[in-house]
Amino acid sequence: NAGVTQTPKFRVLKTGQSMTLLCAQDMNHEYMYWYRQDPGMGLRLIHYSVGEGTTAKGEVPDGYNVSRLKKQNFLLGLESAAPSQTSVYFCASSLPGVEHSNQPQHFGDGTRLSIL
Amino acid sequence: AQKITQTQPGMFVQEKEAVTLDCTYDTSDQSYGLFWYKQPSSGEMIFLIYQGSYDEQNATEGRYSLNFQKARKSANLVISASQLGDSAMYFCAMREGRGGFKTIFGAGTRLFVKA
Repeated sequence: NAGVTQTPKFRVLKTGQSMTLLCAQDMNHEYMYWYRQDPGMGLRLIHYSVGEGTTAKGEVPDGYNVSRLKKQNFLLGLESAAPSQTSVYFCASSLPGVEHSNQPQHFGDGTRLSIL
Repeated sequence: AQKITQTQPGMFVQEKEAVTLDCTYDTSDQSYGLFWYKQPSSGEMIFLIYQGSYDEQNATEGRYSLNFQKARKSANLVISASQLGDSAMYFCAMREGRGGFKTIFGAGTRLFVKA
């Protein structure tokens, strides 16, 4: 059972480079999320999506873009990487609606990104 | 704006004793959900327990229970009979009630269980 898969698992970039993090889920979940985890700050929501073709900003969206062209995929892009974006990035997915509000998010294993 | 506060950066507990991890939240929503997750050193996020804002009874899952005090906006996690494997980072999270999306997390509490 794959669940939520993130690629790559590790990446080192130079300042100014661009890259895309891929998140794929096979649970037919409507909702998908991107978080970053930094020491002492927990997980902070970058962007999220409530369905194919829709995205919305979270708490810390600046410097990131996202796309949800297919229901199962949620892409996080860094157009011009900065050292402040060094972090561990987690993707998550969940079922929609009030009837599923007690269901937890399912997380990927994370992507460790370093910007030099 | 929604906010989750975990005021204990680190906690120590003796093996086999109980421990309470604090979580307070702020929201203007009437309907919301509260979650606790565990993150061991391996990095994965493990769901522990859920409490809905309209649930009248405190949630329990095995050795985990959630002390929900709605008027005080607190949702503390109680771990009974601590085990060495409980040493991990613990996160409190809140999900909006509208459609169940936009979940935010607290800064986390690192728990150390001593033998």
